[in-house]
Amino acid sequence: AQTVTQSQPEMSVQEAETVTLSCTYDTSESNYYLFWYKQPPSRQMILVIRQEAYKQQNATENRFSVNFQKAAKSFSLKISDSQLGDTAMYFCAFMKPYMGNQFYFGTGTSLTVIP
Amino acid sequence: EAGVAQSPRYKIIEKRQSVAFWCNPISGHATLYWYQQILGQGPKLLIQFQNNGVVDDSQLPKDRFSAERLKGVDSTLKIQPAKLEDSAVYLCASSPGTVEAFFGQGTRLTVV
Repeated sequence: AQTVTQSQPEMSVQEAETVTLSCTYDTSESNYYLFWYKQPPSRQMILVIRQEAYKQQNATENRFSVNFQKAAKSFSLKISDSQLGDTAMYFCAFMKPYMGNQFYFGTGTSLTVIP
Repeated sequence: EAGVAQSPRYKIIEKRQSVAFWCNPISGHATLYWYQQILGQGPKLLIQFQNNGVVDDSQLPKDRFSAERLKGVDSTLKIQPAKLEDSAVYLCASSPGTVEAFFGQGTRLTVV
């Protein structure tokens, strides 16, 4: 079974500063995908960034980047130049592409950006 | 492109009553998921459809939960009878068969 662990229930960051959210996972698979989803109070899960396990290069999307350490099974999210709109729950998720594309989510990190 | 639509947004019922949630996925998406998100936890898969067939319902409490996807488009999730521990947000998501999934805004269920 796949497990995803987010050890930081809550975090805060000053506006314009940088923050890193941690995620570890456990799997015996070699081919998989990792995701960070954002869930604002509206409850809709919004894709922030995606990483393919077979790619060594870390994914980046504007102010969002990941540090993917496959051997350590670690997948952290760095948010640069934090904005008030970044305040939300952030979920790390694992997906095996050949098993129905099912997502396994962590318990989430509540991020608050302080003005 | 319209997103995944869910209704109602909120529902409050008494225990032992029944409730139904509706989901309209993005047009053309063959895969549809129902997730349960209990407060303080990440979403957990309840059931997955591929067109109108069930791919995985191993986590669905079948004694009280049921789901269907008629004609491979809209889907309904039903709980009968509801228990206090069913209080959660129920998220629907759809996928075109790639690794991307698109989520609706969910239904927040409170069982009192």
